[in-house]
Amino acid sequence: EAQVTQNPRYLITVTGKKLTVTCSQNMNHEYMSWYRQDPGLGLRQIYYSMNVEVTDKGDVPEGYKVSRKEKRNFPLILESPSPNQTSLYFCASSLSRLGLDEQYFGPGTRLTVT
Amino acid sequence: AQSVTQLDSQVPVFEEAPVELRCNYSSSVSVYLFWYVQYPNQGLQLLLKYLSGSTLVESINGFEAEFNKSQTSFHLRKPSVHISDTAEYFCAVSDLEGQNFVFGPGTRLSVLP
Repeated sequence: EAQVTQNPRYLITVTGKKLTVTCSQNMNHEYMSWYRQDPGLGLRQIYYSMNVEVTDKGDVPEGYKVSRKEKRNFPLILESPSPNQTSLYFCASSLSRLGLDEQYFGPGTRLTVT
Repeated sequence: AQSVTQLDSQVPVFEEAPVELRCNYSSSVSVYLFWYVQYPNQGLQLLLKYLSGSTLVESINGFEAEFNKSQTSFHLRKPSVHISDTAEYFCAVSDLEGQNFVFGPGTRLSVLP
């Protein structure tokens, strides 16, 4: 089954404790991205990757890091989480970055930073 | 850069009634338009998209959207909603190169029995 998986689905942590949210896709997609979803703001892109070892900032990259060492994986790293990073996070993948390619979304990770 | 406006944050409607979810966009270049749906506790799924050709596009579950270039709109409609249509709906726009993909703030559709 074609899918995007994220782990963990739920995470409660404290300010400053480094964490990683994993994302994996089994569709051999080149393009992957991370979004955060906040009420009234929709989804905002954090980082994206056009292929292995190629990553770039989205609209709200501050406080986040990513890496793309393998085509299927695109982890999101919060080196020193803060309460304003409490949010619902989605990983997505698509065949390419072209606007016409459908994005496939993971189930989401709900992060709470206290 | 593109932007998307969804004026209605919440739309309650009774089962079997028609519904329209409004979406307006702003862009200086040609765009692709999308509607994504997010069911409770799930990720987003593509509902329908406009790439080119006929301005009226349809989904498999009875939704349709019409691209109106002069009014820069892409409203989503369904003539008769079901309880199972309860979800959040996001309008999105992308330039043709995919350099700028933007989601609207979302509209929460609640279908009441």
